[in-house]
Amino acid sequence: QSVLTQPPSVSAAPGQKVTISCSGSSSNIGNNHVSWYQQLPGTAPKLLIYDNNKRPSGIPDRFSGSKSGTSATLGITGLQTGDEADYYCGTWDSSLSAGVFGGGTKLTVL
Amino acid sequence: EVQLVQSGAEVKKPGESLKISCKGSGYSFTSHWIGWVRQMPGKGLEWMGIIYPGDSDTRYSPSFQGQVTISADKSISTAYLQCSSLKASDTAIYYCARPSTMIGDAFDVWGQGTMVTVSS
Repeated sequence: QSVLTQPPSVSAAPGQKVTISCSGSSSNIGNNHVSWYQQLPGTAPKLLIYDNNKRPSGIPDRFSGSKSGTSATLGITGLQTGDEADYYCGTWDSSLSAGVFGGGTKLTVL
Repeated sequence: EVQLVQSGAEVKKPGESLKISCKGSGYSFTSHWIGWVRQMPGKGLEWMGIIYPGDSDTRYSPSFQGQVTISADKSISTAYLQCSSLKASDTAIYYCARPSTMIGDAFDVWGQGTMVTVSS
């Protein structure tokens, strides 16, 4: 059981928008920055969003992040078939003194 | 270019020990934490632990404390993950990854992963 809770799967049609939620607690999301990772099949995870809503260089603005209280959300607009991947949220947990990840969400672009 | 390059795939028998490596380049190795992440077959990412090569300060997830040992040799810019008394359930891909600055920051650089298979 992961410390952060994500839906196992989401799906949407090409061109549409999808959101992926990540729920935690005051010891993690509530008091620390959230990051999001994309893992394409057979590859290492890749940073998409850091510090709740910042995009690393090279990440298109179709990807966005937000945080409110003890939850965070990843948004993806203009869905493409190449966006089909597993998405993970992550943050620091001050009670555990360790990093934590969500269980991951599989995105299917129908 | 900032890179983390991991050692190759390993096949081990139950009860054997394992040490995999992660070599950093393109940045000041001693000034950044390096973490380890496990991904079991078909499963999600698990944060295992992290080390600061500059002074070998090491932190472990409670789930992995006592199960693995993380170390670093700053003279060759390499971090290590050691596991002893391997079990079939240790079969996984192990990634090293670097937080951008502080211990709790996002992992902005990842190694390519090391596949470890434990089977009799």
